Amino acid sequence: GAVVSQHPSRVICKSGTSVKIECRSLDFQATTMFWYRQFPKQSLMLMATSNEGSKATYEQGVEKDKFLINHASLTLSTLTVTSAHPEDSSFYICSARRTGKDGYTFGSGTRLTVV
Amino acid sequence: AQSVAQPEDQVNVAEGNPLTVKCTYSVSGNPYLFWYVQYPNRGLQFLLKYITGDNLVKGSYGFEAEFNKSQTSFHLKKPSALVSDSALYFCAVREAISGGYNKLIFGAGTRLAVHP
Repeated sequence: GAVVSQHPSRVICKSGTSVKIECRSLDFQATTMFWYRQFPKQSLMLMATSNEGSKATYEQGVEKDKFLINHASLTLSTLTVTSAHPEDSSFYICSARRTGKDGYTFGSGTRLTVV
Repeated sequence: AQSVAQPEDQVNVAEGNPLTVKCTYSVSGNPYLFWYVQYPNRGLQFLLKYITGDNLVKGSYGFEAEFNKSQTSFHLKKPSALVSDSALYFCAVREAISGGYNKLIFGAGTRLAVHP
């Protein structure tokens, strides 16, 4: 079945530093990758949608310069949280849509803690 | 805009009893509906989806969902709950975005607690 590998699963960083989160589709090509943010006991908030080879489309209220998304290939998308602050601490989840398919496969998530 | 609502924050059920997790939707056009489950500190796992066809959709782990157009509902059900079913459940609807692509809009989630 379709698998999306997300790394790291947990990361602790100092305030002001940048953190990169990777999502790889292991056995399929992902035309589109989605990045979500989830606060404790809350739903998933879509941050941005990225299509391979083009700029990401950000949802309203999401800072493009703070959350950099790169989708350079059909199997890899990265989210970089730049100049992280404690309020960026959250659970980040990626999701990939297979080329020509309706299904969405989710990564296992990354728990980011900014201290 | 498409949306889904999950009216219950938490559902409690005894092991072996049937369970229902509610979801209602608001869409323009034909709804594409999904159910996902999330275990602690994990991503979402797909349970089932409704695109078209039979109103009763069967999914993973013995779950099923009934699409009801007149009530605009898509409730998740299981005949006999297991303690291991305890998790966070999300209903979602697919929404078209520019460029011919789609995205998922999630409900607030319902925490299911199955007691021994």
